[in-house]
Amino acid sequence: SQTIHQWPATLVQPVGSPLSLECTVEGTSNPNLYWYRQAAGRGLQLLFYSVGIGQISSEVPQNLSASRPQDRQFILSSKKLLLSDSGFYLCAWRHGITTKETQYFGPGTRLLVL
Amino acid sequence: AQKITQTQPGMFVQEKEAVTLDCTYDTSDPSYGLFWYKQPSSGEMIFLIYQGSYDQQNATEGRYSLNFQKARKSANLVISASQLGDSAMYFCAMREGGSGYSTLTFGKGTMLLVSP
Repeated sequence: SQTIHQWPATLVQPVGSPLSLECTVEGTSNPNLYWYRQAAGRGLQLLFYSVGIGQISSEVPQNLSASRPQDRQFILSSKKLLLSDSGFYLCAWRHGITTKETQYFGPGTRLLVL
Repeated sequence: AQKITQTQPGMFVQEKEAVTLDCTYDTSDPSYGLFWYKQPSSGEMIFLIYQGSYDQQNATEGRYSLNFQKARKSANLVISASQLGDSAMYFCAMREGGSGYSTLTFGKGTMLLVSP
């Protein structure tokens, strides 16, 4: 069966510091991968998605970036965090096979920027 | 215009009763998919049910069913025999167009509280 991991689970960072959040998927190959952000009491906003190694599409321009160095690894980064980057970050995967389109989410990372 | 609208910020239901969570969507694409996710206080998004735009029958998964009314562009989630563990945020989401990369648009969610 497939599992998705995210770490860290919780992070408190000062404004202006760098960020690296990691997401890995097990039990599948060539998945589509997604990064979402959820502000407090709000719905999910898609940040980035990737259909393969090195292929990143950005949905929202901001000071965040994403990379996919390996097939089942997706990283969300920032060089300098802003207060507005605080939120709950969720990684999701779905099968690369188009007939299986449900996205499955990881446990999330709670980021607080002070 | 919002693509996914969930008009109920909060819903209350007694244990063992059925509850309907509303979702309306807006798309001009004939091919789309509709999803419901549950988010408990832990934060993880749990997939509940999926309905494709070409599916002839309403989707069902255990106690969850999706009341799909295509002409009205609504995809309401029905939870039968509510349990205390059903207390959570519920999100409706839509995938438009071909399912090649399948990005989802989420509604703002409905908080469901189940009382004993």
